[in-house]
Amino acid sequence: NAGVMQNPRHLVRRRGQEARLRCSPMKGHSHVYWYRQLPEEGLKFMVYLQKENIIDESGMPKERFSAEFPKEGPSILRIQQVVRGDSAAYFCASSPRRQRGVSGSSHEQYFGPGTRLTVT
Amino acid sequence: EDKVVQSPLSLVVHEGDTVTLNCSYEVTNFRSLLWYKQEKKAPTFLFMLTSSGIEKKSGRLSSILDKKELFSILNITATQTGDSAVYLCAGTGTASKLTFGTGTRLQVTL
Repeated sequence: NAGVMQNPRHLVRRRGQEARLRCSPMKGHSHVYWYRQLPEEGLKFMVYLQKENIIDESGMPKERFSAEFPKEGPSILRIQQVVRGDSAAYFCASSPRRQRGVSGSSHEQYFGPGTRLTVT
Repeated sequence: EDKVVQSPLSLVVHEGDTVTLNCSYEVTNFRSLLWYKQEKKAPTFLFMLTSSGIEKKSGRLSSILDKKELFSILNITATQTGDSAVYLCAGTGTASKLTFGTGTRLQVTL
């Protein structure tokens, strides 16, 4: 069972360009989460998506950032007009769908290898 | 705002020592406490704790949750150099997102 996949692993962009980060969840997982890790800081939640729905985007910057998880294909985190402060590691995590009638939580999240974005 | 605090920030021990890492949390509508190990790449899932007082164990690692005191510990016995990593604690509530602490950097020396 392949794990969470992210690509690219490393991305270099000049200020003002766009960055697109992709995430394919684990097989059977329909919940996707994006986190950002700035140098020497902890992981910060950005957005939580299910197929074709944004469930919680409370951690997303109001401008330049957007995320989607289409019916087919990977989840995409898009950063427009990147600035140096966007340089960070961006991690995607996935979790299984909660099944009706099954006790327990679907909060166990499995992380991908991350995309390290460098803005020059 | 939800908050997770880990201590110590960093720790250096000798191989064979036992270590205890601490995590305190304030999470709205708390559901679970999770521990991860991060070694320069993706955080690797270790444990998820939802009930107070029930120890979870995996090899030399174990963890327990105290929901009354809003606290969890991660124990590593007979440490090895391969245990060197940043250990992350995260809390989650009904909102599903994880709120992480800044981690404890563990270095195990020979």
